[in-house]
Amino acid sequence: QVQLVESGGGVVQPGGSLRLSCTASGLTFSKHGMHWVRQAPGKGLEWVTFIRYDGSNKYYADSVKGRFTISRDDSKNTVYLQMNSLRAEDTAVYYCAKDKGTTAYDIWGQGTMVTVSS
Amino acid sequence: QSALTQPASVSGSPGQSITISCTGTSSDVGGYNSVSWYQQHPGKAPKLMIYDVSKRPSGVSNRFSGSKSGNTASLTISGLQAEEEADYYCSSYTSSSTYVFGTGTKVTVL
Repeated sequence: QVQLVESGGGVVQPGGSLRLSCTASGLTFSKHGMHWVRQAPGKGLEWVTFIRYDGSNKYYADSVKGRFTISRDDSKNTVYLQMNSLRAEDTAVYYCAKDKGTTAYDIWGQGTMVTVSS
Repeated sequence: QSALTQPASVSGSPGQSITISCTGTSSDVGGYNSVSWYQQHPGKAPKLMIYDVSKRPSGVSNRFSGSKSGNTASLTISGLQAEEEADYYCSSYTSSSTYVFGTGTKVTVL
């Protein structure tokens, strides 16, 4: 079955960096765009970033632009989220999600928690 | 990139129908047939319920339906069941080539 598994979360100090990974199985990864979506504790969902299936275009929410970078390695069926200059407000569960091809997210990972705290 | 506006809570008795609204602007909801809806139970990942305004993914009950009028999209759950008590979020593509979620609605089954 199609599955996404995130990893790389943890506790980091303000101003620090972290790289999240999301590895896919059960699908032809190179054919699909991928998103990162986050959810702060007790809060709603927030779209973070998207990378097209071929990596040709990347889009970011204003809240992370210039600090976060999305990338992909199709040989490893993995999408990454490099997070720099982390702030307390970046504390959240980070989900990766597969793009359905119709601007919807049809497959989600279980999420990985990122805590930014001194 | 302001969040789309949803009611904070909606409630209904088992078997009743409820409707959740999702209001945006002509730059997102009103400008594209790219509204989707997600169900999220506590501690779980969201689940796609509706995409492209009114299409249901395979495996989603036909008691879930979506529609749109102008800048407002709606999700209707008919024949409400206890297991459908959850948080629901809408999402839309935007004119900036980004995406935006709604503020979320807690559905309570009385």
